[in-house]
Amino acid sequence: DIQMTQSPSTLSASVGDRVTITCRASQSISGWLAWYQQKPGKAPNLLIYKASSLQSGVPSRFSGTGSGTEFTLTISSLQPDDFATYYCQQYNSFQFTFGQGTRLEIK
Amino acid sequence: EVQVVESGGGLVQPGGSLRLSCATSGFTFSSYTMSWVRQAPGKGLEWVSTIRSSGSSTYYADSVKGRFTISRDNSRNTLYLQMSSLRADDTAVYYCAKVYYVGTSGVGYFDYWGQGTLVTVSS
Repeated sequence: DIQMTQSPSTLSASVGDRVTITCRASQSISGWLAWYQQKPGKAPNLLIYKASSLQSGVPSRFSGTGSGTEFTLTISSLQPDDFATYYCQQYNSFQFTFGQGTRLEIK
Repeated sequence: EVQVVESGGGLVQPGGSLRLSCATSGFTFSSYTMSWVRQAPGKGLEWVSTIRSSGSSTYYADSVKGRFTISRDNSRNTLYLQMSSLRADDTAVYYCAKVYYVGTSGVGYFDYWGQGTLVTVSS
């Protein structure tokens, strides 16, 4: 199975900061990667698919890059609503796997 | 509007069984791959199982293979997860998710999620 490793596990930042989360795959997944945001007690919400495509309705401050085994999610200017946990997920095959998550907290 | 609503969770003893349901509306259910994803308390997301649109192909995480069975009723727009031989580490919120894909592969990302149903395995 493909393993997904996110870093960092926790990120402290302030409103207005630019932040980047990294996700690495144990083998190439081409661009078959999605990013989700999850708030406590809520279901995950799709942000990015195919590594860099923004889901409809998601603010443009979110962006994704990468291909192969290394991917990044960037939030260009943090807003109060962005403090949440973020997960990457590969869909190169039907054996889907998620990263362990990155908790974005207020500094 | 797409709606995904899970039900059937609850408290069950170790070794017991439970069937989860996921009622959907707002999209052509019979055309889409569907999945179950779970989240143990305070932990990350774990993919559990997936079924293709026709029900002809199913996929399972190693942690549930042989114990869980995914199925669907396309006439009722409903997805199911039959869980047996439940263990304490199956305790989690179980989410039903629609899989969006392009082409014929059936594999893709999760574009719509339900709010989840809590399964607690404890004596």
